[in-house]
Amino acid sequence: DAMVIQNPRYQVTQFGKPVTLSCSQTLNHNVMYWYQQKSSQAPKLLFHYYDKDFNNEADTPDNFQSRRPNTSFCFLDIRSPGLGDAAMYLCATSSDGTGVDEQYFGPGTRLTVT
Amino acid sequence: AQSVTQPDIHITVSEGASLELRCNYSYGATPYLFWYVQSPGQGLQLLLKYFSGDTLVQGIKGFEAEFKRSQSSFNLRKPSVHWSDAAEYFCAVGAEGTYKYIFGTGTRLKVLA
Repeated sequence: DAMVIQNPRYQVTQFGKPVTLSCSQTLNHNVMYWYQQKSSQAPKLLFHYYDKDFNNEADTPDNFQSRRPNTSFCFLDIRSPGLGDAAMYLCATSSDGTGVDEQYFGPGTRLTVT
Repeated sequence: AQSVTQPDIHITVSEGASLELRCNYSYGATPYLFWYVQSPGQGLQLLLKYFSGDTLVQGIKGFEAEFKRSQSSFNLRKPSVHWSDAAEYFCAVGAEGTYKYIFGTGTRLKVLA
């Protein structure tokens, strides 16, 4: 089945130690999104790629970076994780990135910062 | 500005009972509306969506939703809840020409055996 895959499902990192989260998709979608979701809150969009074009949300901290080396893969890099960055990180894709388009979500990576 | 309100943070129903989750939106033009479900520790799964046409939309897992323009609402319903429906439910609105959703704050559903 076509899908969105996130690895790892659980990640523990130390305060200030860089960490990379991975997302891959077999849907061949143009758009990939990264969301941060804290407990009992709605997902918060961090940034998205339309093909190779990177689009950062205005309130996304500089500590968060992303790479998309090809259509299938997208990475979220947290350069110096703080305790406040502990959250579920969700990757999603859509075919054309318009508001009318369904987004397909991965299962998420739960990040713990110690 | 666009916004989505889910007035109920928590809802508890007995298994077999009917369910209605409320969603109100604010948007100037015709919105594109979605309901997603999130089981604990999982990603979001689309239940149903409304773009145009018939205002009663059928989704997966026996869910349906009704778009009421006059009330700016898109409430989710299920006639008989199963224990496996316990999850968090998010309503979202998208707008043509934009790239992102506006999510509601979610409603956590608990199902009593």
